[in-house]
Amino acid sequence: EAGVAQSPRYKIIEKRQSVAFWCNPISGHATLYWYQQILGQGPKLLIQFQNNGVVDDSQLPKDRFSAERLKGVDSTLKIQPAKLEDSAVYLCASTVRGAPQNEQFFGPGTRLTVL
Amino acid sequence: AQSVTQLGSHVSVSEGALVLLRCNYSSSVPPYLFWYVQYPNQGLQLLLKYTTGATLVKGINGFEAEFKKSETSFHLTKPSAHMSDAAEYFCAVSVTGNQFYFGTGTSLTVIP
Repeated sequence: EAGVAQSPRYKIIEKRQSVAFWCNPISGHATLYWYQQILGQGPKLLIQFQNNGVVDDSQLPKDRFSAERLKGVDSTLKIQPAKLEDSAVYLCASTVRGAPQNEQFFGPGTRLTVL
Repeated sequence: AQSVTQLGSHVSVSEGALVLLRCNYSSSVPPYLFWYVQYPNQGLQLLLKYTTGATLVKGINGFEAEFKKSETSFHLTKPSAHMSDAAEYFCAVSVTGNQFYFGTGTSLTVIP
């Protein structure tokens, strides 16, 4: 079974530029999560999708961050414009459905550096 | 609100020694509890989880954890550390279907 795929693995941009990350979850997984992991901290949930609908985006900085999952499969996360404090690893995870006892499967992450 | 506290951001043990990583949670309802491991430049991998039933949970790579409701703890242990155990370990709690709350992580160093 293929795991969660993410690209790119690394991205370096200057502040005020835009950037997009892509995630392809495990086949059949209805629930998809985007997390932000700042160095030295645990992952923080940015947004959760159930199929192509948003379940929770309460911690997504909506003035600069956006995400979509149009066909209920892969997803993109965009930052526009980027700030220095956005430097972090962005993790995508998926699960069969968003039940609290279900394991989340994580991708390798995209490491973003904002200069 | 739910939260997770991991005591000790860095833990060092000698190879062959006991590994003990501490995790305490706060939750107004019985939680589901998880331990994840993260190797450098990789995503998080599930070590073990507690949902219901037996409070002593065994996971992969010889790790186990015990859910103690009275202490609101879910400490991770391994009897004998291997060099390959060096990694970052995260405790997480989930109550509803929406969110995992992660601790800040504990970096484990294994000394030869």
